[in-house]
Amino acid sequence: SQELEQSPQSLIVQEGKNLTINCTSSKTLYGLYWYKQKYGEGLIFLMMLQKGGEEKSHEKITAKLDEKKQQSSLHITASQPSHAGIYLCGAGLEAGGSEKLVFGKGTKLTVNP
Amino acid sequence: DGGITQSPKYLFRKEGQNVTLSCEQNLNHDAMYWYRQDPGQGLRLIYYSQIVNDFQKGDIAEGYSVSREKKESFPLTVTSAQKNPTAFYLCASMAGLANYNEQFFGPGTRLTVL
Repeated sequence: SQELEQSPQSLIVQEGKNLTINCTSSKTLYGLYWYKQKYGEGLIFLMMLQKGGEEKSHEKITAKLDEKKQQSSLHITASQPSHAGIYLCGAGLEAGGSEKLVFGKGTKLTVNP
Repeated sequence: DGGITQSPKYLFRKEGQNVTLSCEQNLNHDAMYWYRQDPGQGLRLIYYSQIVNDFQKGDIAEGYSVSREKKESFPLTVTSAQKNPTAFYLCASMAGLANYNEQFFGPGTRLTVL
């Protein structure tokens, strides 16, 4: 079974609308990473969260790790066509650092002008 | 500018041929990774290396080989034993493994085996 579940799988919004993408695990998330990917390109690092309840923002994108450290949300305010792409979450499942990360399958975001 | 480079961006090979994908980083990162990305399957780890001259198999290492002779370089060879090699390959690096650090990705190489 997938260790990281992302929802929704795809999302279509009108420009200017807010949206939220979720990343959920049955295990504790010790390092939670959010990336954005344009089709056929590499992953662009957005943010990393480590502490329960931690929240970080970059421009109009805010990510939060819940207190139990088993779910993270990525919120985009006033979406723009430039926000379109695939958003992936990745996580380490071991305290103090991990040799490798596991990744969700991604959420495809379309923003219609 | 510091970053990760992968070459070539597109690669075509005939079935049965080995092919090597390049990955170079100038971030002075210790750890490097190779992932494979297929539609609907997310990222799957092929191999990773924490230090020079050492590397470990990931979840789907069969049919692949790597080397880590230099800190900045981590080439991936897709051998003829890989049954379904057509995919998008991503290289990544991370500063260290003692704590969670930012993991950065290269632009990727799309391999098509004809």
